[in-house]
Amino acid sequence: EAGVAQSPRYKIIEKRQSVAFWCNPISGHATLYWYQQILGQGPKLLIQFQNNGVVDDSQLPKDRFSAERLKGVDSTLKIQPAKLEDSAVYLCASSLGTRYNEQFFGPGTRLTVL
Amino acid sequence: EDQVTQSPEALRLQEGESSSLNCSYTVSGLRGLFWYRQDPGKGPEFLFTLYSAGEEKEKERLKATLTKKESFLHITAPKPEDSATYLCAVLAGYQKVTFGTGTKLQVIP
Repeated sequence: EAGVAQSPRYKIIEKRQSVAFWCNPISGHATLYWYQQILGQGPKLLIQFQNNGVVDDSQLPKDRFSAERLKGVDSTLKIQPAKLEDSAVYLCASSLGTRYNEQFFGPGTRLTVL
Repeated sequence: EDQVTQSPEALRLQEGESSSLNCSYTVSGLRGLFWYRQDPGKGPEFLFTLYSAGEEKEKERLKATLTKKESFLHITAPKPEDSATYLCAVLAGYQKVTFGTGTKLQVIP
């Protein structure tokens, strides 16, 4: 089966610019997660969707980050405006159902903010 | 605040030299503990889920165990291809997920 797809794989922007990441989860997976992973650290959950509703966005910096999951399938994560400290890998993951179970991760998008 | 601490930060083993990685946690209402493997430039790959103290899971050279305060990932007779960063994560409360910072394992031929 096809895995979680993410694009772009790499992105370099200047601070104060905006950027968007795209994620297509595994077909049939109801739950979608966006994580931020800073070099040398574990992934930090930014937002979790159940179908197209938000389950948890407590760690999402809402003044600059936004995310949506239209029609309960693919999702976009946007940063506007970007700061230097946003440099990280942004990981998307999906899982089958409402219970936290096996998560499948995409390859990630490496963002560098100059 | 939920906390997950992994040790050691880095581990270097000779091929065939068995060892254990530790994941200790402080959470309210643990619902599950998860182990992942992450290779450089890739997303984490799921290994195990443990739900209750005393539970054990095995996969090839890896065995995960869980107590009320920590989990161990035992690696028996590791091979160079086991080199990776191993992450643990806990699920507590209402769907709240917290990852540790990982243990970077290097297995020398």
